[in-house]
Amino acid sequence: QVHLVESGGGLVKPGGSLRLSCVASGLIFSDDYMNWIRQAPGKGLEWVSYISTSSTYTDYADSVKGRFTISRDNAKNSLYLQMSSLRAEDTAVYYCARSRRLVAPLDVWGQGTTVTVSS
Amino acid sequence: DIQMTQSPSTLSVSVGDRVTITCRASQSISSWLAWYQQKPGKAPKLLIYKASSLESGVPSRFSGSGSGTDFTLTINSLQPDDFATYYCQQYNSYSPWTFGQGTKVEIK
Repeated sequence: QVHLVESGGGLVKPGGSLRLSCVASGLIFSDDYMNWIRQAPGKGLEWVSYISTSSTYTDYADSVKGRFTISRDNAKNSLYLQMSSLRAEDTAVYYCARSRRLVAPLDVWGQGTTVTVSS
Repeated sequence: DIQMTQSPSTLSVSVGDRVTITCRASQSISSWLAWYQQKPGKAPKLLIYKASSLESGVPSRFSGSGSGTDFTLTINSLQPDDFATYYCQQYNSYSPWTFGQGTKVEIK
């Protein structure tokens, strides 16, 4: 069984920082591209960031560029999202999701972790 | 960025109905389109990839079609478990991937 489990969400003040984690099991983590997708309350899905298998390539949505950093540790089957300078509009459920290669759908998703940015 | 426009936003239907949801891309994406189903409080689930390929384990009443800019998700004989929100997503140009705004399929 393939599983992705996110953690690290919580309540943070505007301007604050938070680090999300996603642990994978049941797959060869180092073979897969990984992504963060978010969903604001009552809204649709927004792709946030991706990272290639060996961390060579990363990219970010314009809305988070310069504030968020994606990383991975293949030895620990783990994906991370370091979020800083958080804004109210970053409030969302954050999902990690796998794509098997650069151009591929998101075929495995975690259950999500909730980030709330509020004073 | 490639914009994805879904229609309708909401669909009120009955069990057994045939449901059609459309998704239009602002420029050609070849067949690099996926459809997802999301239920309240749950993560999205991949249904269709490459416009018309059924993901393993997904019931055959789901089907996808289209290429270029116009795509369709069809659900034949809607089942009670199918009431959910459906999203299309283009993965043609990697930066950034974009989703449609979603179509909620609700009970009439």
